[in-house]
Amino acid sequence: NAGVMQNPRHLVRRRGQEARLRCSPMKGHSHVYWYRQLPEEGLKFMVYLQKENIIDESGMPKERFSAEFPKEGPSILRIQQVVRGDSAAYFCASSPRRGSPYEQYFGPGTRLTVT
Amino acid sequence: GENVEQHPSTLSVQEGDSAVIKCTYSDSASNYFPWYKQELGKGPQLIIDIRSNVGEKKDQRIAVTLNKTAKHFSLHITETQPEDSAVYFCAASIRISNFGNEKLTFGTGTRLTIIP
Repeated sequence: NAGVMQNPRHLVRRRGQEARLRCSPMKGHSHVYWYRQLPEEGLKFMVYLQKENIIDESGMPKERFSAEFPKEGPSILRIQQVVRGDSAAYFCASSPRRGSPYEQYFGPGTRLTVT
Repeated sequence: GENVEQHPSTLSVQEGDSAVIKCTYSDSASNYFPWYKQELGKGPQLIIDIRSNVGEKKDQRIAVTLNKTAKHFSLHITETQPEDSAVYFCAASIRISNFGNEKLTFGTGTRLTIIP
């Protein structure tokens, strides 16, 4: 059973460009979470999604950031008009269906660098 | 919202000795407490977790204790080995309904170094 997959692993964008980060959850998992980690800091919750639904986006900046988890395909975290402060590691986690244990399993992350 | 504090931020331990990392949380409704190990350039790896109806859980050299009254929980690593060197994060989570799981609130991390 493959783990959580994220791509790309490293992404370099110039200020003003768009960044698209992809996350494929573990097989059988329908809950996806996105977290952001700044250097030397802990992970901060951004958004929680189920298939075709955003459940909790309380950690998402109000502008430029959006997330989706379509019926088919990976979850996408999209950052428009990136700024230097968006440089961070972005981690996706997945967990099983409703009624399952609470465990969240993390992917290897996408390291975004804005130049 | 939930606030999780973690101490110490750095910890150096002689190989073979024990390491203890402590966390406190603020929301008494939190009911799930995982610990993650993060190695350089990698994603966090779940190493052990505990639910609020249990006071202690052990898995080989790793154990976690939970004191719900005091709202703190700790990670204990015994007989430490060089491969235990990493950053460790505690987290807390509230499951508020049967609809789905809740987000994790993380501590700020402890950089553990095992001295050979």
